Amino acid sequence: KQEVTQIPAALSVPEGENLVLNCSFTDSAIYNLQWFRQDPGKGLTSLLLIQSSQREQTSGRLNASLDKSSGRSTLYIAASQPGDSATYLCAVVGVSAGKSTFGDGTTLTVKP
Amino acid sequence: EPEVTQTPSHQVTQMGQEVILRCVPISNHLYFYWYRQILGQKVEFLVSFYNNEISEKSEIFDDQFSVERPDGSNFTLKIRSTKLEDSAMYFCASSQERGSNQPQHFGDGTRLSIL
Repeated sequence: KQEVTQIPAALSVPEGENLVLNCSFTDSAIYNLQWFRQDPGKGLTSLLLIQSSQREQTSGRLNASLDKSSGRSTLYIAASQPGDSATYLCAVVGVSAGKSTFGDGTTLTVKP
Repeated sequence: EPEVTQTPSHQVTQMGQEVILRCVPISNHLYFYWYRQILGQKVEFLVSFYNNEISEKSEIFDDQFSVERPDGSNFTLKIRSTKLEDSAMYFCASSQERGSNQPQHFGDGTRLSIL
């Protein structure tokens, strides 16, 4: 059974800092991994999708990497801004089942 | 860009009542999913649906739950006799293919509150 873990659970940084969020998964047989942003009480905003054959994806100040063999992904946020404050979720789609398995998320607070 | 739309955004229902949550997946997508997120907890898989039948369901998806694609556009989740613990955000998702390089596209969710 796929398990997804995100570390840290919460992170507070001053504006302008670069930061890394971590995601690990137990079953490396995945189709892809997605990073989402979730604001309080709101839906899921897709940030980046990394296919199993890819090593990284970039979108603006966000860079996500994937090491499938070790079951790890990182989300790098450069020059953080208060508007980046949200919960960041990672989810993997396994080969054995088409569903997404989510981590608990990292709640990020960027202080002005 | 095409979106998955969910209605209503917020549903308040008395315990024991039936509720139907509605979703319109992206038009050329073939795989449909329901997830739920209890407040403060992780997003959990409920059920996947393909070719007019359930392809996988979790242990959460018991006999109180059912899904249906009543026409060519809607995908519904019905909870027959709601319980307090059914209060959660329910997300619908769709994808063009199962896995591969196609992401699952999520709707904005329906917040279900059981009184």
